Amino acid sequence: SYVLTQPPSVSVAPGKTARITCGGNNIGSKSVHWYQQKPGQAPVLVIYYDSDRPSGIPERFSGSNSGNTATLTISRVEAGDEADYYCQVWDSSSDQYVFGTGTKVTVL
Amino acid sequence: EVQLVESGGGLVQPGGSLRLSCAASGFTFSSYWMSWVRQAPGKGLEWVANIKQDGSEKYYVDSVKGRFTISRDNAKNSLYLQMNSLRAEDTAVYYCARSSGSYYRAFDIWGQGTMVTVSS
Repeated sequence: SYVLTQPPSVSVAPGKTARITCGGNNIGSKSVHWYQQKPGQAPVLVIYYDSDRPSGIPERFSGSNSGNTATLTISRVEAGDEADYYCQVWDSSSDQYVFGTGTKVTVL
Repeated sequence: EVQLVESGGGLVQPGGSLRLSCAASGFTFSSYWMSWVRQAPGKGLEWVANIKQDGSEKYYVDSVKGRFTISRDNAKNSLYLQMNSLRAEDTAVYYCARSSGSYYRAFDIWGQGTMVTVSS
């Protein structure tokens, strides 16, 4: 089955840039979505189709996808960005959605 | 307001059964693929199953195939997950989620989740 690998944790100072990677075999050929989940809450979609933002999501959130790595970038990080982040793809070879392992972002 | 509300969670013994429900409101339920996603305590997200708008296509994660059945009733704006032969590893918060074609089938709306505990 298709596997998506994320770093367990990323630490960043307020006002700096956080980059969260999502590795998968030829992930650049798939559409990648990203979710933010805060403790005790349901996930929220922050990026879809590699780099598009749903309405209401700040421009500070951006995404890219190429080769074997997709990346979620959070610019000018704020304390409120502290959360777990998950990437997701649809694996057409198995007809299954796959989530990444998740990354905890800590704002220092 | 667009909303999904899950119910039906609880404590069940290993080998037992449980049926989860998800009530949709504020949008045309019959126009969307729907999914169930679970999250074990302290763990990451795991997609469980999804179902096409008219119920004609259903897909499952390998670990629940043959044990779980996803279904929907568009007249009642409701999504269901019948869970049989439950195991300890099925213990999780179960979320229902909407797949939006506008968002390339990303999950744009989520419920608040319902907790399922499998334990003797």
